[in-house]
Amino acid sequence: NAGVTQTPKFQVLKTGQSMTLQCAQDMNHEYMSWYRQDPGMGLRLIHYSVGAGITDQGEVPNGYNVSRSTTEDFPLRLLSAAPSQTSVYFCASKRQGGDGYTFGSGTRLTVV
Amino acid sequence: QQQVKQSPQSLIVQKGGISIINCAYENTAFDYFPWYQQFPGKGPALLIAIRPDVSEKKEGRFTISFNKSAKQFSLHIMDSQPGDSATYFCAARGENFNKFYFGSGTKLNVKP
Repeated sequence: NAGVTQTPKFQVLKTGQSMTLQCAQDMNHEYMSWYRQDPGMGLRLIHYSVGAGITDQGEVPNGYNVSRSTTEDFPLRLLSAAPSQTSVYFCASKRQGGDGYTFGSGTRLTVV
Repeated sequence: QQQVKQSPQSLIVQKGGISIINCAYENTAFDYFPWYQQFPGKGPALLIAIRPDVSEKKEGRFTISFNKSAKQFSLHIMDSQPGDSATYFCAARGENFNKFYFGSGTKLNVKP
């Protein structure tokens, strides 16, 4: 049982480049979310999804795009990377009616 | 504005001592309050959680105390061990059972 799998683990981007952070879960969880973690800021919600085809914005959605075509996958896209997006990104999932989220191991992104 | 305020930012405790981390919130609609434990290079993992109709929950050496009228809750780690050294996040669940608001985190160092 792999849980929540995030790829890549590390990434360096140049300003203006685009990329997609991958997230996949094998627990058949309906709910999935993307958080970013910055020192002294805790975890902040970027986007979330309650099921395939349904997404919504969190606290800090600007500069990020998501889609949910399947229950298993919830990729996060950076269209034009900026240094302010340097952070550690976590994907998380939970079942409908469940309480706490299960987190992936994170992607450390540096934008130079 | 941070929905959940957490203190202290860092904490040093001697082995065998009691670690106490505090959180406060304003939104009375929050209905679930988990604590997450995060080791370096890993994603947060659910440690213990409480609902607002309960004043205390204990699991092993970990206890949550909840004060609904004061809108505060705290994590107590009894007999703290070096293996407890990690970053701890409190959180509160908001609307639609989806949005979790996290505190800024407390880095705990238990000295042997």
